[in-house]
Amino acid sequence: NAGVTQTPKFQVLKTGQSMTLQCAQDMNHNSMYWYRQDPGMGLRLIYYSASEGTTDKGEVPNGYNVSRLNKREFSLRLESAAPSQTSVYFCASSGRGGDQPQHFGDGTRLSIL
Amino acid sequence: QKEVEQNSGPLSVPEGAIASLNCTYSDRGSQSFFWYRQYSGKSPELIMFIYSNGDKEDGRFTAQLNKASQYVSLLIRDSQPSDSATYLCAVRNTGGFKTIFGAGTRLFVKA
Repeated sequence: NAGVTQTPKFQVLKTGQSMTLQCAQDMNHNSMYWYRQDPGMGLRLIYYSASEGTTDKGEVPNGYNVSRLNKREFSLRLESAAPSQTSVYFCASSGRGGDQPQHFGDGTRLSIL
Repeated sequence: QKEVEQNSGPLSVPEGAIASLNCTYSDRGSQSFFWYRQYSGKSPELIMFIYSNGDKEDGRFTAQLNKASQYVSLLIRDSQPSDSATYLCAVRNTGGFKTIFGAGTRLFVKA
């Protein structure tokens, strides 16, 4: 009963390093999302994938890239990490239909020094 | 103007009282509205969703939607200390995929 699995759970990077955050879901959901959460800012949408093979920008896409590898997996890449990208990153997925809720992973706590 | 706005709080209510959480949104064509609860250090979990004007009740929770006023609210009856958390309002756009969250309202229920 895994749901949405994110790896890693914690990571510390130095400025300029690159990293890929992994996300996988086992609920056969079509849509997947990446959010970041900063204190007082709520969840801000970085990128989303409505279905396999498509990706779209959200509210704060700059500095990030994504890949929808297959229906199960949606990865988020930081090419050159900056301290402003220190945050908690959540991956989520949802089924087909506008009334389908999102199911979240446990989050990745990323610190960039 | 943010797409989804919530009062950040904190909102403090005594145990057993009704907690009222409010949310406004800017996209008039939005179709679906969700309330999530998030405990400190945890991921958001769904409480309710609503997509028709009016009220929707589920146990101690009632969601209210007024599309003309672009307003959605969550009422928590008989509030318990375990309800203390941040409550996030989420709005799904007309395309049915992009979901935008408000900044959340922190609720404290005093025993």
